[in-house]
Amino acid sequence: GQQLNQSPQSMFIQEGEDVSMNCTSSSIFNTWLWYKQDPGEGPVLLIALYKAGELTSNGRLTAQFGITRKDSFLNISASIPSDVGIYFCAGQNQAGTALIFGKGTTLSVSS
Amino acid sequence: GAVVSQHPSRVICKSGTSVKIECRSLDFQATTMFWYRQFPKQSLMLMATSNEGSKATYEQGVEKDKFLINHASLTLSTLTVTSAHPEDSSFYICSARDFGRAGSYNEQFFGPGTRLTVL
Repeated sequence: GQQLNQSPQSMFIQEGEDVSMNCTSSSIFNTWLWYKQDPGEGPVLLIALYKAGELTSNGRLTAQFGITRKDSFLNISASIPSDVGIYFCAGQNQAGTALIFGKGTTLSVSS
Repeated sequence: GAVVSQHPSRVICKSGTSVKIECRSLDFQATTMFWYRQFPKQSLMLMATSNEGSKATYEQGVEKDKFLINHASLTLSTLTVTSAHPEDSSFYICSARDFGRAGSYNEQFFGPGTRLTVL
Protein backbone atom coordinates (compact mmCIF):
# COMPACT_ATOMS: atom_id res chain seq x y z
CA GLY A 1 0.00 0.00 0.00
CA GLN A 2 0.91 3.64 -0.11
CA GLN A 3 3.38 4.92 2.42
CA LEU A 4 4.42 8.40 3.41
CA ASN A 5 7.98 9.21 4.39
CA GLN A 6 8.09 12.23 6.67
CA SER A 7 11.27 13.95 7.76
CA PRO A 8 12.85 14.95 9.94
CA GLN A 9 11.59 12.69 12.71
CA SER A 10 12.30 15.34 15.34
CA MET A 11 13.61 18.88 15.57
CA PHE A 12 14.99 20.93 18.43
CA ILE A 13 15.08 24.64 17.66
CA GLN A 14 15.33 28.02 19.34
CA GLU A 15 12.37 30.36 19.53
CA GLY A 16 12.32 32.63 16.50
CA GLU A 17 13.90 30.14 14.12
CA ASP A 18 12.22 28.91 10.97
CA VAL A 19 11.31 25.24 10.56
CA SER A 20 10.87 23.06 7.50
CA MET A 21 9.58 19.52 7.24
CA ASN A 22 8.53 17.42 4.28
CA CYS A 23 6.72 14.33 3.14
CA THR A 24 7.25 12.12 0.15
CA SER A 25 5.08 9.37 -1.21
CA SER A 26 5.69 6.35 -3.40
CA SER A 27 2.58 7.23 -5.37
CA ILE A 28 0.33 10.14 -6.24
CA PHE A 29 -2.14 11.85 -3.95
CA ASN A 30 -4.92 14.22 -4.96
CA THR A 31 -4.91 16.06 -1.65
CA TRP A 32 -2.17 16.78 0.86
CA LEU A 33 -2.91 17.88 4.40
CA TRP A 34 -0.86 18.97 7.38
CA TYR A 35 -2.01 18.38 10.96
CA LYS A 36 -0.69 19.25 14.41
CA GLN A 37 -1.28 16.97 17.36
CA ASP A 38 -0.78 17.96 20.97
CA PRO A 39 -0.20 15.21 23.57
CA GLY A 40 -3.34 13.26 24.38
CA GLU A 41 -5.45 15.02 21.78
CA GLY A 42 -6.67 14.43 18.27
CA PRO A 43 -4.96 16.02 15.27
CA VAL A 44 -6.01 19.50 14.19
CA LEU A 45 -5.93 20.52 10.54
CA LEU A 46 -3.41 23.26 9.73
CA ILE A 47 -3.39 23.46 5.95
CA ALA A 48 -5.08 21.57 3.11
CA LEU A 49 -3.67 21.50 -0.44
CA TYR A 50 -5.74 20.47 -3.44
CA LYS A 51 -3.69 21.19 -6.57
CA ALA A 52 -0.22 20.26 -7.71
CA GLY A 53 2.07 23.26 -7.28
CA GLU A 54 -0.30 24.99 -4.88
CA LEU A 55 1.34 27.13 -2.21
CA THR A 56 -0.87 27.99 0.75
CA SER A 57 -0.26 30.01 3.89
CA ASN A 58 -1.98 30.04 7.26
CA GLY A 59 -0.41 32.71 9.42
CA ARG A 60 3.21 31.73 10.01
CA LEU A 61 2.67 28.39 8.28
CA THR A 62 3.25 27.80 4.59
CA ALA A 63 2.78 24.52 2.76
CA GLN A 64 3.19 23.43 -0.83
CA PHE A 65 1.76 20.58 -2.88
CA GLY A 66 4.59 19.21 -5.01
CA ILE A 67 4.37 19.35 -8.78
CA THR A 68 4.74 15.57 -9.06
CA ARG A 69 1.88 15.14 -6.52
CA LYS A 70 4.17 12.83 -4.58
CA ASP A 71 5.48 15.30 -2.04
CA SER A 72 4.67 18.26 0.16
CA PHE A 73 6.49 20.50 2.59
CA LEU A 74 5.48 22.60 5.57
CA ASN A 75 7.38 25.66 6.75
CA ILE A 76 6.88 27.42 10.07
CA SER A 77 8.41 30.86 10.33
CA ALA A 78 9.50 32.63 13.51
CA SER A 79 8.67 29.70 15.78
CA ILE A 80 7.18 30.27 19.21
CA PRO A 81 6.89 27.93 22.23
CA SER A 82 3.28 27.01 21.44
CA ASP A 83 4.41 25.52 18.14
CA VAL A 84 5.65 22.54 20.16
CA GLY A 85 3.89 19.33 19.16
CA ILE A 86 3.83 16.60 16.58
CA TYR A 87 3.21 17.55 12.97
CA PHE A 88 1.76 14.99 10.58
CA CYS A 89 1.39 15.10 6.86
CA ALA A 90 -1.50 13.15 5.36
CA GLY A 91 -2.47 12.23 1.85
CA GLN A 92 -5.86 11.53 0.42
CA ASN A 93 -6.55 9.74 -2.84
CA GLN A 94 -10.17 10.68 -3.37
CA ALA A 95 -12.40 13.19 -1.65
CA GLY A 96 -14.06 11.66 1.35
CA THR A 97 -11.78 8.65 1.68
CA ALA A 98 -9.59 7.88 4.66
CA LEU A 99 -6.28 9.65 5.15
CA ILE A 100 -2.86 8.08 5.03
CA PHE A 101 -0.58 9.66 7.61
CA GLY A 102 3.14 10.24 7.70
CA LYS A 103 5.10 9.16 10.77
CA GLY A 104 5.20 12.63 12.24
CA THR A 105 7.76 15.28 13.08
CA THR A 106 8.16 16.12 16.75
CA LEU A 107 8.99 19.79 17.21
CA SER A 108 10.58 21.16 20.36
CA VAL A 109 11.07 24.91 20.78
CA SER A 110 13.27 26.36 23.47
CA SER A 111 12.83 29.95 24.55
CA GLY B 1 -18.94 24.34 14.05
CA ALA B 2 -17.71 20.90 12.95
CA VAL B 3 -17.01 19.43 16.36
CA VAL B 4 -16.43 15.74 16.95
CA SER B 5 -16.55 14.32 20.45
CA GLN B 6 -15.42 11.00 21.82
CA HIS B 7 -16.48 9.27 25.00
CA PRO B 8 -14.88 8.23 27.19
CA SER B 9 -11.66 10.23 26.98
CA ARG B 10 -9.80 7.50 28.83
CA VAL B 11 -10.68 4.07 30.09
CA ILE B 12 -8.86 1.44 32.09
CA CYS B 13 -10.20 -2.09 32.00
CA LYS B 14 -9.24 -5.60 32.93
CA SER B 15 -8.08 -8.09 30.36
CA GLY B 16 -10.97 -10.02 28.86
CA THR B 17 -13.58 -7.29 29.23
CA SER B 18 -15.21 -5.34 26.41
CA VAL B 19 -15.01 -1.59 26.01
CA LYS B 20 -17.26 0.65 23.94
CA ILE B 21 -16.01 3.97 22.55
CA GLU B 22 -18.44 6.51 21.12
CA CYS B 23 -17.74 9.03 18.37
CA ARG B 24 -20.28 11.80 17.80
CA SER B 25 -20.50 14.60 15.28
CA LEU B 26 -22.08 17.39 17.31
CA ASP B 27 -23.17 19.91 14.70
CA PHE B 28 -23.16 18.11 11.39
CA GLN B 29 -24.24 14.86 9.87
CA ALA B 30 -21.56 12.33 9.11
CA THR B 31 -22.43 9.54 6.72
CA THR B 32 -18.87 8.31 7.01
CA MET B 33 -16.66 8.06 10.05
CA PHE B 34 -13.16 6.65 10.29
CA TRP B 35 -11.50 4.89 13.20
CA TYR B 36 -7.75 5.19 13.69
CA ARG B 37 -5.40 3.68 16.25
CA GLN B 38 -2.22 5.35 17.43
CA PHE B 39 0.44 3.62 19.49
CA PRO B 40 2.89 5.73 21.54
CA LYS B 41 5.23 7.80 19.41
CA GLN B 42 3.72 6.42 16.23
CA SER B 43 1.45 7.66 13.52
CA LEU B 44 -2.30 7.21 13.11
CA MET B 45 -3.18 3.96 11.41
CA LEU B 46 -6.60 3.49 9.84
CA MET B 47 -8.54 0.61 11.34
CA ALA B 48 -11.87 0.83 9.58
CA THR B 49 -14.28 2.99 7.64
CA SER B 50 -17.74 3.23 9.16
CA ASN B 51 -20.69 4.01 6.90
CA GLU B 52 -24.09 4.89 8.29
CA GLY B 53 -26.56 2.08 7.83
CA SER B 54 -24.11 -0.43 6.41
CA LYS B 55 -21.27 -2.68 7.51
CA ALA B 56 -17.91 -1.19 8.26
CA THR B 57 -14.96 -1.75 5.97
CA TYR B 58 -11.92 -2.99 7.85
CA GLU B 59 -8.29 -2.54 6.91
CA GLN B 60 -6.12 -5.56 6.34
CA GLY B 61 -4.97 -7.06 9.60
CA VAL B 62 -7.78 -5.58 11.71
CA GLU B 63 -10.07 -8.25 13.14
CA LYS B 64 -13.68 -7.31 12.55
CA ASP B 65 -14.92 -9.68 15.23
CA LYS B 66 -12.66 -8.07 17.79
CA PHE B 67 -13.27 -4.44 16.86
CA LEU B 68 -17.02 -4.15 16.37
CA ILE B 69 -18.19 -0.98 14.67
CA ASN B 70 -21.76 0.27 14.63
CA HIS B 71 -22.80 3.41 12.75
CA ALA B 72 -26.50 3.45 13.53
CA SER B 73 -27.16 7.14 13.01
CA LEU B 74 -25.75 10.07 11.08
CA THR B 75 -24.13 11.48 14.20
CA LEU B 76 -22.90 8.43 16.11
CA SER B 77 -20.46 5.62 15.49
CA THR B 78 -19.30 3.22 18.17
CA LEU B 79 -16.21 1.04 18.38
CA THR B 80 -16.37 -1.91 20.76
CA VAL B 81 -13.12 -3.62 21.64
CA THR B 82 -14.20 -7.12 22.61
CA SER B 83 -12.23 -9.30 25.00
CA ALA B 84 -9.58 -6.63 25.33
CA HIS B 85 -5.97 -7.61 25.99
CA PRO B 86 -2.97 -5.50 27.02
CA GLU B 87 -1.76 -5.33 23.41
CA ASP B 88 -5.00 -3.48 22.56
CA SER B 89 -3.90 -0.60 24.79
CA SER B 90 -3.67 2.38 22.49
CA PHE B 91 -5.06 5.80 21.61
CA TYR B 92 -8.19 5.41 19.49
CA ILE B 93 -9.19 8.40 17.38
CA CYS B 94 -12.23 8.83 15.18
CA SER B 95 -12.82 11.30 12.40
CA ALA B 96 -16.07 12.31 10.77
CA ARG B 97 -16.63 13.50 7.25
CA ASP B 98 -18.93 16.49 6.80
CA PHE B 99 -20.86 15.65 3.70
CA GLY B 100 -22.71 18.91 3.55
CA ARG B 101 -19.74 21.23 3.82
CA ALA B 102 -18.93 23.11 0.65
CA GLY B 103 -15.43 22.77 -0.69
CA SER B 104 -13.29 20.84 -3.07
CA TYR B 105 -13.16 17.91 -0.71
CA ASN B 106 -15.20 16.73 2.23
CA GLU B 107 -13.13 17.78 5.20
CA GLN B 108 -12.66 15.32 8.02
CA PHE B 109 -12.78 16.45 11.61
CA PHE B 110 -11.02 14.48 14.30
CA GLY B 111 -12.24 13.67 17.77
CA PRO B 112 -10.04 14.23 20.82
CA GLY B 113 -9.22 10.54 21.12
CA THR B 114 -9.79 7.81 23.72
CA ARG B 115 -6.90 6.41 25.70
CA LEU B 116 -7.50 2.69 26.37
CA THR B 117 -5.39 0.89 28.92
CA VAL B 118 -5.94 -2.82 29.38
CA LEU B 119 -4.47 -4.29 32.54
